[in-house]
Amino acid sequence: GDSVTQMEGPVTLSEEAFLTINCTYTATGYPSLFWYVQYPGEGLQLLLKATKADDKGSNKGFEATYRKETTSFHLEKGSVQVSDSAVYFCALSESGGYNKLIFGAGTRLAVHP
Amino acid sequence: EPEVTQTPSHQVTQMGQEVILRCVPISNHLYFYWYRQILGQKVEFLVSFYNNEISEKSEIFDDQFSVERPDGSNFTLKIRSTKLEDSAMYFCASSVGQGEVEETQYFGPGTRLLVL
Repeated sequence: GDSVTQMEGPVTLSEEAFLTINCTYTATGYPSLFWYVQYPGEGLQLLLKATKADDKGSNKGFEATYRKETTSFHLEKGSVQVSDSAVYFCALSESGGYNKLIFGAGTRLAVHP
Repeated sequence: EPEVTQTPSHQVTQMGQEVILRCVPISNHLYFYWYRQILGQKVEFLVSFYNNEISEKSEIFDDQFSVERPDGSNFTLKIRSTKLEDSAMYFCASSVGQGEVEETQYFGPGTRLLVL
């Protein structure tokens, strides 16, 4: 079945460093791709999404590009802040059907001053 | 901004007891979901619900689980006889529908269930 694989964490960075969190997927159709973020003690918040190949999702300085040829949706940010410390989940929504989300394992990001 | 709400935020129960987790989805949304996240693990799909019936369920969602939309606003998850392994954070989510914009799922803050 469809699946999502994320790089294992934790990822520890200094403030203003460049961030990449890798995400690859396996899907039979043409899924939509998402990044959700979970801040400590909170629920899941949609960070960004892309619905078709070559689309770029962006929000709050984060970006991810839907790469069909490499089945990837890597999350990047040019300069992280301490407030970006959270767990980041890559997810896909299967084409058709009722759009259940399939999540990756999550990557914990810790940014220190 | 409209948001999904869930109650209670925390629930502690004894093994074998029934629990009902409550959710109020965003008012114009038509698709409703439950997910769970066992501590330190990935978020897992449980069930989706549309037009007053289950549209899809995972293998986790066995006969001990049920969902209901008892009125126009609430969406509930019932666990009939809780087991230790049901301890998890349970997230409710809702979406407008299907389509590029409508499919985005918005999540509630979760209910942390602890079964003793």
